[in-house]
Amino acid sequence: EIVMTQSPATLSVSPGERATLSCRASQSVSSDLAWYQQKPGQAPRLLIFGASTRATAIPARFSGSGSGTEFTLTISSLQSEDFAVYYCQQYNNWPPFTFGPGTKVDIK
Amino acid sequence: QLQLQESGPGLVKPSETLSLTCTVSGGSISSSPYYWGWVRQPPGKGLEWIGSIYYSGSTYHSSSLKSRVTISVDTSKNQFSLKLSSVTVADTALYYCARQPASPGFHWFDPWGQGTLVTVSS
Repeated sequence: EIVMTQSPATLSVSPGERATLSCRASQSVSSDLAWYQQKPGQAPRLLIFGASTRATAIPARFSGSGSGTEFTLTISSLQSEDFAVYYCQQYNNWPPFTFGPGTKVDIK
Repeated sequence: QLQLQESGPGLVKPSETLSLTCTVSGGSISSSPYYWGWVRQPPGKGLEWIGSIYYSGSTYHSSSLKSRVTISVDTSKNQFSLKLSSVTVADTALYYCARQPASPGFHWFDPWGQGTLVTVSS
């Protein structure tokens, strides 16, 4: 089973600043990685798939990069609506599909 | 626009079977190539994949839950279902259904249902 880890667990950022979130896989997942955003009381929402492709209607301030075992989600200029928990998920080697434990982005 | 909606009892007794249904609207569950999956989230915790089913009935499950999980599809009702047997308090969670592209290298989850909370308690 591929284990996904994320860092940091919590990231405190001021509105307008850049946020950089990391995701690591225990073995290579190529570019088969997705990022999700989850706000309180809501279902996760797909942000990025294929490590770097934005999903439909996702603002350009969200960008993904990486391949193999190291991945990054960058939010270029945090807006108030971006404070949420972010999860990565690998879909290269399955079953199982595995998620990271999440990074909470909160207001500094 | 495709929408998914979970339904089922919100309270299940320990040792009993949890049963949930996901109704798909705005599209056909038989349209290929897609998997239809279940993901759960214990309160305050992260996401755990439970299993996925292809419209033809092929299923894949988490090995940690496999012996207790049954996933089925009813194309006539545009629904797929989850049964989890012998539940314990550890199965208390928000349960989500979601669609996954089935083409190799495309298995992300999108869209998701709103989720339904299932509490296991006597």
